[in-house]
Amino acid sequence: AQSVTQLGSHVSVSEGALVLLRCNYSSSVPPYLFWYVQYPNQGLQLLLKYTTGATLVKGINGFEAEFKKSETSFHLTKPSAHMSDAAEYFCAVSEKGSNYKLTFGKGTLLTVNP
Amino acid sequence: NAGVTQTPKFRILKIGQSMTLQCTQDMNHNYMYWYRQDPGMGLKLIYYSVGAGITDKGEVPNGYNVSRSTTEDFPLRLELAAPSQTSVYFCASSDPGLATDTQYFGPGTRLTVL
Repeated sequence: AQSVTQLGSHVSVSEGALVLLRCNYSSSVPPYLFWYVQYPNQGLQLLLKYTTGATLVKGINGFEAEFKKSETSFHLTKPSAHMSDAAEYFCAVSEKGSNYKLTFGKGTLLTVNP
Repeated sequence: NAGVTQTPKFRILKIGQSMTLQCTQDMNHNYMYWYRQDPGMGLKLIYYSVGAGITDKGEVPNGYNVSRSTTEDFPLRLELAAPSQTSVYFCASSDPGLATDTQYFGPGTRLTVL
């Protein structure tokens, strides 16, 4: 069975500082990995995804994530935080053989301080 | 192209009442999903469908029913509302056959059961 652990339910950074949101997964087969962002009172929007190929993936709004199989991790980073990045971020995993059902982490709320 | 739409946006139910949450997508996606989101818990899969006439249970199906008579629509039915069903409900769609394994989410329905 697949599972996702997001370390830190709340991360606070200063504007311009590095953003690092941690995600570890468990999967019995090669996983598909996703990061979604949710702004207040809105649905989820895809930031980036890894399916196959290059392990460093770039997404929207300057975010990127690196798939590390040996560490079963898919951490999300952004070099310089912007006030507009304040939101909740969800890491998710799916498997090709499971009808692509997503298993989500519990989410990390990112606060950006001026 | 509206993507995934959900109605209603908000609803308050009394214990024991029933209602249907509507979900429609205009992307001709075969796969559709229903999730519920509770604070600090991430999203949990309720039911999913891989095509018209085909549905299956997710992680938390108790108290819910679904049907899929068309590609576009995937309604979620609550028969006897309980306070434990107070949550935000999200519908999503995807189509791996179109190389879009990404799930696209609707804006959500916020349901309160009193």
